[in-house]
Amino acid sequence: AQSVAQPEDQVNVAEGNPLTVKCTYSVSGNPYLFWYVQYPNRGLQFLLKYITGDNLVKGSYGFEAEFNKSQTSFHLKKPSALVSDSALYFCAVRDAGGGADGLTFGKGTHLIIQP
Amino acid sequence: DSGVTQTPKHLITATGQRVTLRCSPRSGDLSVYWYQQSLDQGLQFLIQYYNGEERAKGNILERFSAQQFPDLHSELNLSSLELGDSALYFCASSVTRQGANTGELFFGEGSRLTVL
Repeated sequence: AQSVAQPEDQVNVAEGNPLTVKCTYSVSGNPYLFWYVQYPNRGLQFLLKYITGDNLVKGSYGFEAEFNKSQTSFHLKKPSALVSDSALYFCAVRDAGGGADGLTFGKGTHLIIQP
Repeated sequence: DSGVTQTPKHLITATGQRVTLRCSPRSGDLSVYWYQQSLDQGLQFLIQYYNGEERAKGNILERFSAQQFPDLHSELNLSSLELGDSALYFCASSVTRQGANTGELFFGEGSRLTVL
């Protein structure tokens, strides 16, 4: 079975500082990894994904994520946080060798950017 | 706008009742997924349909059922509702091809169900 852990319920960052939202995963095969963002009372919006290739993936709104196979991690990063980045962030995984297409999500991390 | 449409946006009903949630996937997407989001359980995968057929089942209760119609829209039926069924129900769609699916899911805005 596949799983995702987001160890922090909440991350607080001052505006302009770099941010990191942590994610670790567990799959039996190779992982396909995704980050989504959810604003209040809205659906999930896709940010970026890692399928294969370069371990550093760039996505929407200046976000990037680094895939680390040895640490089974896929942390979300941004060099300079904006107040508008405040939202709920979800990491998700799909087993590349599995039969199911659905994503398994972590419990989410609330990112709060303080002015 | 993800291109996935869900109705209704809000629904308030009583325990024991039955409701139907509707989802129209993005144009061209053959797969539809249903997720339940609640404060205590997070995002839980319920069920997936691909081109009209059930493809994968997650933590879906026996009181819940779903189907995907020939025009690819999907409905999630929730019956004998309990207070604990109050949640945000999301539909998502993706293009699913033969072999591994590398594509992301596109989510609708959700249907918020309140059971009183």
